[in-house]
Amino acid sequence: AQKITQTQPGMFVQEKEAVTLDCTYDTSDPSYGLFWYKQPSSGEMIFLIYQGSYDQQNATEGRYSLNFQKARKSANLVISASQLGDSAMYFCAMREGVTVNDKIIFGKGTRLHILP
Amino acid sequence: DVKVTQSSRYLVKRTGEKVFLECVQDMDHENMFWYRQDPGLGLRLIYFSYDVKMKEKGDIPEGYSVSREKKERFSLILESASTNQTSMYLCASSSGQGIDTQYFGPGTRLTVL
Repeated sequence: AQKITQTQPGMFVQEKEAVTLDCTYDTSDPSYGLFWYKQPSSGEMIFLIYQGSYDQQNATEGRYSLNFQKARKSANLVISASQLGDSAMYFCAMREGVTVNDKIIFGKGTRLHILP
Repeated sequence: DVKVTQSSRYLVKRTGEKVFLECVQDMDHENMFWYRQDPGLGLRLIYFSYDVKMKEKGDIPEGYSVSREKKERFSLILESASTNQTSMYLCASSSGQGIDTQYFGPGTRLTVL
């Protein structure tokens, strides 16, 4: 079974609209961390935002926020006021366990296209 | 800023050649990783290392080996390249502390003919 599921292979969104990228995860470990990365066409993976399983509040970083719904095992990325530069591949990822050296498991990604 | 560099952005090799992909990080990170990325499959972990001269197999180690002689450098080796190893290869490093985010290099797009 997939540990990280991103159901949207591709999305087209009008510039300045808000965007929600879906991510569901599967783990029985009570301690885990969730990450979102952005990969522009240049290829480099850029870390965007992190949510720990025990964090009480949803993580936010500028225009990025993580809609963390623990009971539903959902960690959707929300981008407010989208910009043309947000066009990229987006990956959701999870680390299970409390040891920081545990591996990160990546989803298959969602390609986001922002339309002018 | 964390800087992770990879020796080549694009590489073309022939079947059977020995291929070296080099990765260097400048943040004194303990951990280093090699992934391959293929369309529709996301990132898959090949090998990782938590310390100098230490290595552990990831999810798809077959056909690959690694070397970490110095803390800042992690090399991926394809002993005898095959066409099914044509892919994007991404190197990453992390501190091993805090939330332990992985920082990635720009990637090497390898084509094996």
